[in-house]
Amino acid sequence: GQQVMQIPQYQHVQEGEDFTTYCNSSTTLSNIQWYKQRPGGHPVFLIQLVKSGEVKKQKRLTFQFGEAKKNSSLHITATQTTDVGTYFCAGRRGNKLTFGGGTRVLVKP
Amino acid sequence: KAGVTQTPRYLIKTRGQQVTLSCSPISGHRSVSWYQQTPGQGLQFLFEYFSETQRNKGNFPGRFSGRQFSNSRSEMNVSTLELGDSALYLCASSLNIATNEKLFFGSGTQLSVL
Repeated sequence: GQQVMQIPQYQHVQEGEDFTTYCNSSTTLSNIQWYKQRPGGHPVFLIQLVKSGEVKKQKRLTFQFGEAKKNSSLHITATQTTDVGTYFCAGRRGNKLTFGGGTRVLVKP
Repeated sequence: KAGVTQTPRYLIKTRGQQVTLSCSPISGHRSVSWYQQTPGQGLQFLFEYFSETQRNKGNFPGRFSGRQFSNSRSEMNVSTLELGDSALYLCASSLNIATNEKLFFGSGTQLSVL
């Protein structure tokens, strides 16, 4: 079946530094979504990527969809304490949406 | 607009019992999905309902079941509870079942099985 893997599982970041989290699918995707879950909260939709090679930005967050539509990345610049949480990617293939295991981000002030 | 509402917020049960969780989607949303979240396991898909019909099902045993009512509200039931069923159960709604729909999650029901 379809598998979506995220790396790293944990990311410790110094405040002000940049980091990237990666999402890899075992199959070609029709689109990919990213969600953020704050500690004690529920996942909240961030963005959806549909086109091959697509890049979208949300302030300090840059999302990219791979050319083969099998992988994606989320890059955060100048990390802030408000970026703490778990970031999930979710790959869509047909009518199935499969979530990755998430990257838990911890920020050191 | 009110968000996705899940009840109860917390639940404690013992092994062998059964439990029913409730989810009210955002007004106008017709698709409801259920996920199980455990530490280190991410979000595991349980099932998806649209127009009172189960459209998609994850790899969970038959002890896990669900249904959707005509007003789009959904319930999930877990029978013969096991210790491993302890988890946060999240419900998510979307407008339709189209492949480009984003999910709106509720706050979840934290189930503890003793």
